[in-house]
Amino acid sequence: DIQMTQSPSSLSASVGDRVTITCRASQAISNYLAWYQQKPGKVPKLLIYAASTLQSGVPFRFSGSGSGTDFTLTISSLQPEDVATYYCQKYNSAPGTFGGGTKVEIK
Amino acid sequence: EVQLVQSGAEVKKPGESLKISCQGSGYTFTTYWIGWVRQMPGKGLEWMGITYPGDSDTRYSPSFQGQVTISADKSISGSAYLQWSSLKASDTAIYYCARLSIMGATGSYFDYWGQGTLVTVSS
Repeated sequence: DIQMTQSPSSLSASVGDRVTITCRASQAISNYLAWYQQKPGKVPKLLIYAASTLQSGVPFRFSGSGSGTDFTLTISSLQPEDVATYYCQKYNSAPGTFGGGTKVEIK
Repeated sequence: EVQLVQSGAEVKKPGESLKISCQGSGYTFTTYWIGWVRQMPGKGLEWMGITYPGDSDTRYSPSFQGQVTISADKSISGSAYLQWSSLKASDTAIYYCARLSIMGATGSYFDYWGQGTLVTVSS
Protein backbone atom coordinates (compact mmCIF):
# COMPACT_ATOMS: atom_id res chain seq x y z
CA ASP A 1 0.00 0.00 0.00
CA ILE A 2 0.99 3.59 -0.59
CA GLN A 3 2.33 5.43 2.44
CA MET A 4 1.78 9.15 3.06
CA THR A 5 4.45 11.07 4.95
CA GLN A 6 3.86 14.58 6.24
CA SER A 7 6.43 17.07 7.47
CA PRO A 8 6.93 18.68 9.79
CA SER A 9 4.92 16.87 12.46
CA SER A 10 4.43 20.18 14.25
CA LEU A 11 5.27 23.82 13.77
CA SER A 12 4.91 27.10 15.58
CA ALA A 13 4.57 30.34 13.64
CA SER A 14 3.51 33.92 14.22
CA VAL A 15 0.24 35.46 13.11
CA GLY A 16 0.68 36.67 9.55
CA ASP A 17 3.45 34.20 8.72
CA ARG A 18 3.42 32.06 5.61
CA VAL A 19 3.19 28.39 6.60
CA THR A 20 3.98 25.42 4.37
CA ILE A 21 3.26 21.76 5.09
CA THR A 22 4.51 19.00 2.85
CA CYS A 23 3.09 15.59 2.08
CA ARG A 24 4.91 12.87 0.18
CA ALA A 25 3.39 9.72 -1.30
CA SER A 26 5.50 6.56 -1.57
CA GLN A 27 4.18 6.07 -5.13
CA ALA A 28 2.73 8.47 -7.66
CA ILE A 29 -0.92 9.33 -7.08
CA SER A 30 -1.42 11.95 -9.82
CA ASN A 31 -3.45 14.70 -8.13
CA TYR A 32 -5.65 12.44 -5.98
CA LEU A 33 -4.72 14.29 -2.81
CA ALA A 34 -6.94 15.98 -0.23
CA TRP A 35 -6.14 18.13 2.78
CA TYR A 36 -8.23 18.24 5.96
CA GLN A 37 -8.17 20.54 8.95
CA GLN A 38 -9.03 19.26 12.42
CA LYS A 39 -9.36 21.82 15.17
CA PRO A 40 -8.98 20.58 18.76
CA GLY A 41 -11.97 18.50 19.79
CA LYS A 42 -13.69 18.94 16.44
CA VAL A 43 -14.57 16.87 13.39
CA PRO A 44 -12.13 16.93 10.46
CA LYS A 45 -13.06 19.38 7.73
CA LEU A 46 -12.20 19.16 4.03
CA LEU A 47 -10.02 22.06 2.88
CA ILE A 48 -8.64 21.07 -0.51
CA TYR A 49 -9.18 18.25 -3.00
CA ALA A 50 -7.57 17.30 -6.29
CA ALA A 51 -4.36 18.66 -4.78
CA SER A 52 -5.22 22.30 -5.43
CA THR A 53 -9.00 22.83 -5.55
CA LEU A 54 -10.32 24.82 -2.61
CA GLN A 55 -13.47 23.43 -1.04
CA SER A 56 -16.36 25.90 -1.04
CA GLY A 57 -16.23 28.28 1.91
CA VAL A 58 -12.56 27.73 2.73
CA PRO A 59 -10.61 31.01 3.07
CA PHE A 60 -8.38 31.93 0.13
CA ARG A 61 -5.31 32.07 2.34
CA PHE A 62 -5.25 28.26 2.04
CA SER A 63 -3.78 26.80 -1.13
CA GLY A 64 -2.48 23.46 -2.31
CA SER A 65 -0.09 22.36 -4.99
CA GLY A 66 1.73 19.34 -6.30
CA SER A 67 1.26 16.23 -8.37
CA GLY A 68 2.73 12.76 -8.50
CA THR A 69 4.42 12.18 -5.16
CA ASP A 70 5.07 15.63 -3.66
CA PHE A 71 2.40 18.00 -2.39
CA THR A 72 2.20 21.14 -0.29
CA LEU A 73 -0.43 22.95 1.72
CA THR A 74 0.26 26.64 2.20
CA ILE A 75 -1.37 29.12 4.54
CA SER A 76 -0.40 32.50 3.12
CA SER A 77 -1.02 34.49 6.29
CA LEU A 78 -1.51 32.45 9.45
CA GLN A 79 -4.52 33.44 11.57
CA PRO A 80 -5.33 32.47 15.16
CA GLU A 81 -8.30 30.41 13.97
CA ASP A 82 -5.94 28.26 11.87
CA VAL A 83 -4.61 26.51 14.98
CA ALA A 84 -5.32 22.89 14.12
CA THR A 85 -3.84 19.65 12.92
CA TYR A 86 -3.70 19.24 9.16
CA TYR A 87 -3.85 15.89 7.39
CA CYS A 88 -3.23 14.92 3.81
CA GLN A 89 -5.02 11.93 2.31
CA LYS A 90 -4.53 10.07 -0.92
CA TYR A 91 -7.73 8.83 -2.54
CA ASN A 92 -6.87 7.37 -5.93
CA SER A 93 -7.73 3.90 -4.67
CA ALA A 94 -8.53 2.05 -1.45
CA PRO A 95 -7.16 2.29 1.17
CA GLY A 96 -7.36 6.07 1.28
CA THR A 97 -4.36 6.47 3.57
CA PHE A 98 -3.92 9.61 5.64
CA GLY A 99 -0.64 11.27 6.46
CA GLY A 100 0.43 11.43 10.09
CA GLY A 101 -0.70 15.02 10.57
CA THR A 102 0.94 18.38 11.15
CA LYS A 103 0.03 20.33 14.26
CA VAL A 104 0.08 24.08 13.70
CA GLU A 105 0.37 26.41 16.68
CA ILE A 106 0.75 30.15 17.14
CA LYS A 107 4.08 31.38 18.44
CA GLU B 1 -28.60 19.48 3.55
CA VAL B 2 -26.36 16.42 3.74
CA GLN B 3 -26.03 15.08 7.28
CA LEU B 4 -24.42 12.04 8.83
CA VAL B 5 -25.61 11.35 12.36
CA GLN B 6 -23.76 8.75 14.40
CA SER B 7 -24.93 6.74 17.38
CA GLY B 8 -23.91 7.77 20.88
CA ALA B 9 -20.85 7.08 22.99
CA GLU B 10 -20.31 3.53 24.21
CA VAL B 11 -18.50 2.08 27.21
CA LYS B 12 -17.75 -1.61 26.89
CA LYS B 13 -15.66 -4.32 28.52
CA PRO B 14 -12.95 -6.28 26.71
CA GLY B 15 -14.44 -9.25 24.87
CA GLU B 16 -17.85 -7.66 24.38
CA SER B 17 -19.40 -7.06 20.98
CA LEU B 18 -20.50 -3.71 19.61
CA LYS B 19 -22.20 -2.23 16.55
CA ILE B 20 -22.23 1.53 15.97
CA SER B 21 -24.22 3.31 13.31
CA CYS B 22 -24.16 6.28 10.94
CA GLN B 23 -27.42 7.50 9.42
CA GLY B 24 -27.31 9.58 6.27
CA SER B 25 -29.87 12.13 5.17
CA GLY B 26 -30.24 14.90 2.61
CA TYR B 27 -29.01 12.77 -0.30
CA THR B 28 -29.63 9.39 -1.94
CA PHE B 29 -27.92 7.19 0.61
CA THR B 30 -27.56 4.16 -1.64
CA THR B 31 -25.49 5.93 -4.29
CA TYR B 32 -22.48 7.16 -2.30
CA TRP B 33 -19.77 5.15 -0.57
CA ILE B 34 -19.54 5.62 3.21
CA GLY B 35 -16.29 5.19 5.07
CA TRP B 36 -15.10 4.78 8.64
CA VAL B 37 -12.09 6.55 10.14
CA ARG B 38 -10.48 5.79 13.49
CA GLN B 39 -8.80 8.33 15.74
CA MET B 40 -7.14 6.89 18.81
CA PRO B 41 -6.62 9.22 21.79
CA GLY B 42 -4.17 11.95 20.85
CA LYS B 43 -3.37 10.32 17.51
CA GLY B 44 -4.03 10.85 13.82
CA LEU B 45 -6.69 9.73 11.40
CA GLU B 46 -6.74 6.14 10.13
CA TRP B 47 -8.78 5.00 7.12
CA MET B 48 -10.53 1.77 8.10
CA GLY B 49 -12.73 0.90 5.15
CA ILE B 50 -15.66 1.86 2.97
CA THR B 51 -18.99 0.35 1.98
CA TYR B 52 -21.44 0.99 -0.84
CA PRO B 53 -25.01 0.77 0.47
CA GLY B 54 -26.37 0.14 -3.05
CA ASP B 55 -24.85 -3.33 -3.33
CA SER B 56 -22.98 -3.88 -0.03
CA ASP B 57 -19.58 -3.87 -1.74
CA THR B 58 -17.00 -3.27 1.00
CA ARG B 59 -13.26 -2.52 0.97
CA TYR B 60 -11.01 -2.70 4.02
CA SER B 61 -7.62 -1.32 4.90
CA PRO B 62 -5.26 -4.27 5.44
CA SER B 63 -4.76 -2.95 8.98
CA PHE B 64 -8.42 -3.47 9.80
CA GLN B 65 -9.35 -6.47 7.65
CA GLY B 66 -10.63 -9.21 9.94
CA GLN B 67 -10.72 -6.88 12.95
CA VAL B 68 -14.01 -5.14 12.23
CA THR B 69 -17.04 -5.57 9.98
CA ILE B 70 -18.39 -2.69 7.91
CA SER B 71 -21.88 -2.88 6.47
CA ALA B 72 -24.86 -0.80 5.41
CA ASP B 73 -28.54 -1.25 4.74
CA LYS B 74 -30.08 -0.46 1.37
CA SER B 75 -32.98 1.66 2.45
CA ILE B 76 -33.03 5.15 0.98
CA SER B 77 -32.67 6.80 4.39
CA GLY B 78 -30.45 4.04 5.68
CA SER B 79 -27.47 3.57 7.89
CA ALA B 80 -23.92 2.32 7.73
CA TYR B 81 -22.47 0.23 10.53
CA LEU B 82 -19.17 -0.62 12.13
CA GLN B 83 -19.04 -3.66 14.36
CA TRP B 84 -16.71 -5.66 16.52
CA SER B 85 -17.23 -9.22 17.72
CA SER B 86 -14.74 -9.02 20.57
CA LEU B 87 -13.51 -5.63 21.69
CA LYS B 88 -10.01 -4.94 23.01
CA ALA B 89 -8.77 -2.05 25.10
CA SER B 90 -6.81 -0.90 22.05
CA ASP B 91 -10.14 -0.30 20.23
CA THR B 92 -10.69 2.74 22.45
CA ALA B 93 -11.00 5.62 20.00
CA ILE B 94 -13.31 8.06 18.28
CA TYR B 95 -14.81 6.56 15.15
CA TYR B 96 -16.01 8.85 12.38
CA CYS B 97 -18.16 7.96 9.43
CA ALA B 98 -17.75 10.07 6.32
CA ARG B 99 -19.19 10.18 2.82
CA LEU B 100 -17.08 9.81 -0.29
CA SER B 101 -17.70 12.82 -2.46
CA ILE B 102 -18.27 11.35 -5.90
CA MET B 103 -21.39 9.32 -6.50
CA GLY B 104 -20.53 5.66 -6.95
CA ALA B 105 -16.76 6.19 -6.98
CA THR B 106 -14.24 4.72 -4.54
CA GLY B 107 -11.56 7.12 -5.74
CA SER B 108 -12.85 10.18 -3.97
CA TYR B 109 -12.28 12.16 -0.83
CA PHE B 110 -14.50 12.55 2.22
CA ASP B 111 -16.76 15.57 1.88
CA TYR B 112 -19.20 15.14 4.77
CA TRP B 113 -18.40 13.73 8.20
CA GLY B 114 -20.43 12.43 11.10
CA GLN B 115 -19.94 13.91 14.55
CA GLY B 116 -17.93 10.91 15.77
CA THR B 117 -18.68 8.10 18.21
CA LEU B 118 -16.42 7.64 21.22
CA VAL B 119 -15.89 3.99 22.05
CA THR B 120 -14.25 3.26 25.40
CA VAL B 121 -13.18 -0.29 26.16
CA SER B 122 -12.12 -0.83 29.75
CA SER B 123 -12.40 -3.51 32.35
